[in-house]
Amino acid sequence: EDQVTQSPEALRLQEGESSSLNCSYTVSGLRGLFWYRQDPGKGPEFLFTLYSAGEEKEKERLKATLTKKESFLHITAPKPEDSATYLCAVHSGNTPLVFGKGTRLSVIA
Amino acid sequence: NAGVTQTPKFQVLKTGQSMTLQCAQDMNHNSMYWYRQDPGMGLRLIYYSASEGTTDKGEVPNGYNVSRLNKREFSLRLESAAPSQTSVYFCTIGQEVPYGYTFGSGTRLTVV
Repeated sequence: EDQVTQSPEALRLQEGESSSLNCSYTVSGLRGLFWYRQDPGKGPEFLFTLYSAGEEKEKERLKATLTKKESFLHITAPKPEDSATYLCAVHSGNTPLVFGKGTRLSVIA
Repeated sequence: NAGVTQTPKFQVLKTGQSMTLQCAQDMNHNSMYWYRQDPGMGLRLIYYSASEGTTDKGEVPNGYNVSRLNKREFSLRLESAAPSQTSVYFCTIGQEVPYGYTFGSGTRLTVV
């Protein structure tokens, strides 16, 4: 059974204070690892897909990396508008995505 | 959320009442999914439909039924609502790779 664990549950940063969110996973055969952003009262929005260990993807202040056991979402010099819940999900075999519980990020000006 | 329309956006039910959550897409995807999101539990899959005419159970199907009416529409029915079904329900569409799923804006359901 696929499992996804995200840490920390909540993270509070000062504007400009870089940090990382962690997503640990256990799957039988990873076909893709996904990061989503969710704003309050809205549905999650797709950020990245990573396929294999060593892969990295960037978008503005966000960079996602992947190893064989975990993924990190690095946030460089965050701004208040980066405040949101970040969700990680995995895909293996022919099954739908399995999501972690998310990390709630608050960036204080 | 462009492409996936969920109705209603909010609903309050009394225990034992029934209702149907509607989902329609205009992106021509074969696969459609229903997830529920609860504090501390994350997103959990209720049912999904890989193509028109097929449906499969997810992690938490008890108390729910689904209908894939056509390629565009996938509905979720609560026959006898219970307080444990208080949640935010998301309809999603798409293939897992390469772009993951597109989510609707959600239905916030309260059962009292």
